[in-house]
Amino acid sequence: GESVGLHLPTLSVQEGDNSIINCAYSNSASDYFIWYKQESGKGPQFIIDIRSNMDKRQGQRVTVLLNKTVKHLSLQIAATQPGDSAVYFCAGGGATNKLIFGTGTLLAVQP
Amino acid sequence: DTGVSQDPRHKITKRGQNVTFRCDPISEHNRLYWYRQTLGQGPEFLTYFQNEAQLEKSRLLSDRFSAERPKGSFSTLEIQRTEQGDSAMYLCASSLYAGNEQFFGPGTRLTVL
Repeated sequence: GESVGLHLPTLSVQEGDNSIINCAYSNSASDYFIWYKQESGKGPQFIIDIRSNMDKRQGQRVTVLLNKTVKHLSLQIAATQPGDSAVYFCAGGGATNKLIFGTGTLLAVQP
Repeated sequence: DTGVSQDPRHKITKRGQNVTFRCDPISEHNRLYWYRQTLGQGPEFLTYFQNEAQLEKSRLLSDRFSAERPKGSFSTLEIQRTEQGDSAMYLCASSLYAGNEQFFGPGTRLTVL
């Protein structure tokens, strides 16, 4: 069946270091992928998306890499800050319009 | 604040009672989505509307669940005869058109005792 999952449930980094959050997916029919950030008690917040015909996209301090060969997605956060501490989800979307989310990675930034 | 809003933010109910949640999407967004999220898991798709038409429902949406969007603006999600397994965060999201970013509301946390 369709699934989008994460390799690591928890990632602890030092403030100022770069963070890399990984995600594996099984649904090759996804047209796009999105990374969301979710803070405690809040709804998911859009970070960055990437179309399935791209392999890299950069935003402000964030980069998403897509490797369709191995069905792998990653989110790189440069110069991680305490405010980046949250749970990060990857999600795949396509023609059906629904998003299929993974289980999340908790990013803990140590000062 | 012009984002997605949900009401109530928290709901505690006894098993067997009916509950109704409301979602107000971003005003110009014609697509509205409902998701359910349990602790430590990613949101799971329940259903979505394009304007007032309900176009897809997940198999997770049992016959105790019903969603409406009568005027293509706000939406309601009703759960009848609640069960303890219904305890979760119910998230609403809206988007302008298919494939675009879905903006999420803060969610309604339901606790069924």
